[in-house]
Amino acid sequence: DTGVSQDPRHKITKRGQNVTFRCDPISEHNRLYWYRQTLGQGPEFLTYFQNEAQLEKSRLLSDRFSAERPKGSFSTLEIQRTEQGDSAMYLCASSLAVMDYGYTFGSGTRLTVV
Amino acid sequence: AQKITQTQPGMFVQEKEAVTLDCTYDTSDPSYGLFWYKQPSSGEMIFLIYQGSYDQQNATEGRYSLNFQKARKSANLVISASQLGDSAMYFCAMRESRLNRLAFGKGNQVVVIP
Repeated sequence: DTGVSQDPRHKITKRGQNVTFRCDPISEHNRLYWYRQTLGQGPEFLTYFQNEAQLEKSRLLSDRFSAERPKGSFSTLEIQRTEQGDSAMYLCASSLAVMDYGYTFGSGTRLTVV
Repeated sequence: AQKITQTQPGMFVQEKEAVTLDCTYDTSDPSYGLFWYKQPSSGEMIFLIYQGSYDQQNATEGRYSLNFQKARKSANLVISASQLGDSAMYFCAMRESRLNRLAFGKGNQVVVIP
């Protein structure tokens, strides 16, 4: 296993379109996190899964955002009716609950809404 | 309230010199972990070093060391013998034991010059 994979690396979409990103965590990691990073800022927490259960969502995650982790493996983050303010880097991370300091991040998906 | 503060402007450092990146944090949780990540222009967040709040000794990982001053709520990163590949954004982050997420600072830009 080579780490956390995110797909696509880059996405350009028109305002109002829906987009979906995928994250494949390290296989033995049961926790999966989504973060959003805008230009000049540090990553901000969006949501977190333990296995297939979504245990926490940030207030940043509006109704247009939905995340899933079917079967506790890969995760998807969907943004509906994209807005220009959604332009950001979307980062996925995974960890083992018992070694919770060991967060591994993916390379991110950079979204540009035009 | 900002939990992690990184206020230094962008820094230029001569190759082979040491550089210190400042980080202060705010928490009332007695149990927490502090992290430093490196983010090159490719976007991936690379884990560098971890310090637990109960750790008696400062963490070290190769050329990275963390100057942990608990009473001052300070967790500065020291990079010794800078290399050109160290040019990147550096983020300080904290995980409080009661929360399942990392809170990041705004980052420090480091440019290593030959």
